[in-house]
Order: sequence, then C-alpha cells, then structure tokens
Amino acid sequence: DAMVIQNPRYQVTQFGKPVTLSCSQTLNHNVMYWYQQKSSQAPKLLFHYYDKDFNNEADTPDNFQSRRPNTSFCFLDIRSPGLGDAAMYLCATSRVLGADTQYFGPGTRLTVL
Amino acid sequence: EDQVTQSPEALRLQEGESSSLNCSYTVSGLRGLFWYRQDPGKGPEFLFTLYSAGEEKEKERLKATLTKKESFLHITAPKPEDSATYLCAVQAGGSQGNLIFGKGTKLSVKP
Repeated sequence: DAMVIQNPRYQVTQFGKPVTLSCSQTLNHNVMYWYQQKSSQAPKLLFHYYDKDFNNEADTPDNFQSRRPNTSFCFLDIRSPGLGDAAMYLCATSRVLGADTQYFGPGTRLTVL
Repeated sequence: EDQVTQSPEALRLQEGESSSLNCSYTVSGLRGLFWYRQDPGKGPEFLFTLYSAGEEKEKERLKATLTKKESFLHITAPKPEDSATYLCAVQAGGSQGNLIFGKGTKLSVKP
C-alpha cells in the first residue's frame, strides 16, 4: 500500500545533541511537510518542500532544518535540541500545494533528556 | 487572523448515543476544510475534505457537513472503536498549503 513512513518511531536524544528524523513516501507526491505536535496541542507546520523548493514558516526556529534529497525522502534535522523541542514530529505529503489533502505518517516521538 | 476552534474539548458518549462535534473557523477565503482522526501516539488519519458551503460527506458512522462559518462531524450510533481525537483543519486562501488545525475533540465511547 502507498504510504508515508517515518523512522524511528521513538527517538531519545540528549540536550544539545543533534538529531535527524526521517520520512519517506511511496505516494509520489510533490509536497512534503513537517509538523510539530506537542501534547494535547494542534499540529504546527514547521516547513514544507514543493519538489525542491523549500518554504520555511516565519516562526520556525533556526534550530530546525530540513533536507529533501529526492522525491521520496525528507529529513528533519534539529541542530541543538532543547527540552522544549520534545514533541511528536509528523511528516505529511500532498500531491500539490493548495486545497489538496495531506496524508500523514505515524509520527516520531522525540524525547530530550 | 485565521483561526479554528473546536468544541467540545472532550466528549463522552455511551455506545449508540449519537452526537455532533463542532469546528468553527474564521479564515480569509476558505480553500478547504479537512477532518482527521488521531489515535494516541499516532499520526492523523484522513477522514474528509469539504470545499464549499452545503457540501456533505459520509463514511460509515461519520458524516461531515460545512457551512460558511462552521463544520460539523456527526457520529451516528458510535462504537467504542470510534474513540479518538478528531481534528479539524482549514486551508485559507493565499496560503501555500499551510493547514491551520484546531486543538481537537477527544471522543470517548463507552460500551
């Protein structure tokens, strides 16, 4: 089945130690998104790629970076995680930008010690 | 400012007790409204997309409706497996795909 896959499902890191989260998709969608969701809160968009074009939300901290080496894969890099970065990180894809359905992966739960 | 508000925050139902969840929105030109289901520790699962006032969509026990100011998710004769958090999200005109999410309604259905 076509899907959005995230690895790992659970990630533990230490304060200040860089961490990379991975997302892959078999939907062949042009757009990939990264959301941050803290406990009992709504998902918050960090950035998205439309093909190779990167769009960063204005309030996304510089500590968060992303890479998309090809259509199928997208990575979220957190350069120096703080305690406040502990959250569920969700990857989503859509065929195009605009009013198109976004399909989410299962998420990666990040713990910062 | 674009905003999405969901109510109630939590809803407890007995199995078979029908009810509705509300999503009210204020956006500058609605391009689409989306309903998702999210189980604990998992990513949101897509349910429905609505594009214009008057539109309705159904899937099993769920029915979503849309007006110019709000959307309802009607749950008919719910079962315990319908227990989850239901998220509403909108995409505003002029946005580049940014979904604005509500905080969700946590539904518990007791047998």
